[in-house]
Amino acid sequence: AQKITQTQPGMFVQEKEAVTLDCTYDTSDPSYGLFWYKQPSSGEMIFLIYQGSYDQQNATEGRYSLNFQKARKSANLVISASQLGDSAMYFCAMREAGSGGYNKLIFGAGTRLAVHP
Amino acid sequence: GAGVSQSPSNKVTEKGKDVELRCDPISGHTALYWYRQSLGQGLEFLIYFQGNSAPDKSGLPSDRFSAERTGGSVSTLTIQRTQQEDSAVYLCASSLGLTWAGELFFGEGSRLTVL
Repeated sequence: AQKITQTQPGMFVQEKEAVTLDCTYDTSDPSYGLFWYKQPSSGEMIFLIYQGSYDQQNATEGRYSLNFQKARKSANLVISASQLGDSAMYFCAMREAGSGGYNKLIFGAGTRLAVHP
Repeated sequence: GAGVSQSPSNKVTEKGKDVELRCDPISGHTALYWYRQSLGQGLEFLIYFQGNSAPDKSGLPSDRFSAERTGGSVSTLTIQRTQQEDSAVYLCASSLGLTWAGELFFGEGSRLTVL
């Protein structure tokens, strides 16, 4: 069965430092998509970054980059130059195999990031 | 509207009562999703709409849960005879249509507490 594992319930980082949030996944499907979402205290889920299983390069979006190691089945999120506004829950997710092109996502349990001044 | 709108933002109900949760997606978005987030957990898929039809309702936990969408727009998630284990945040998301990337836009959720 497909599964997403986030082993860090909580992380903290000093402002302006970089931080890596871990995510490992398990799937037997060769075609899959990996996502990271941010959930601030307001509750809404904010899309950050996407990596397709066949993408040759690691995805980057501004201060966010995804360290995709396919052989290890890991998709860690790297946030560079942390800001106080980055404090939130972060969820790793995978599009379920055979979901026919729509986003039936399987989510990890999340990592709570606290950025300290 | 400018974003996905959900109502009510908070709902407290007694065990056994029925509740309705509403989602108003972004105008023009044909795909609509309902997810559930229990305390301290990730999101759990419930149902997906494309237009007014629901090709995937496999995540609905029991027959007490149902959802409909009318006019290709507003969706209502109904929970009958609520149980304490139904307490969670119910999140709605919409997107333009079939998409392989992450263009899901989420609302802020409806927090349901069943006493």
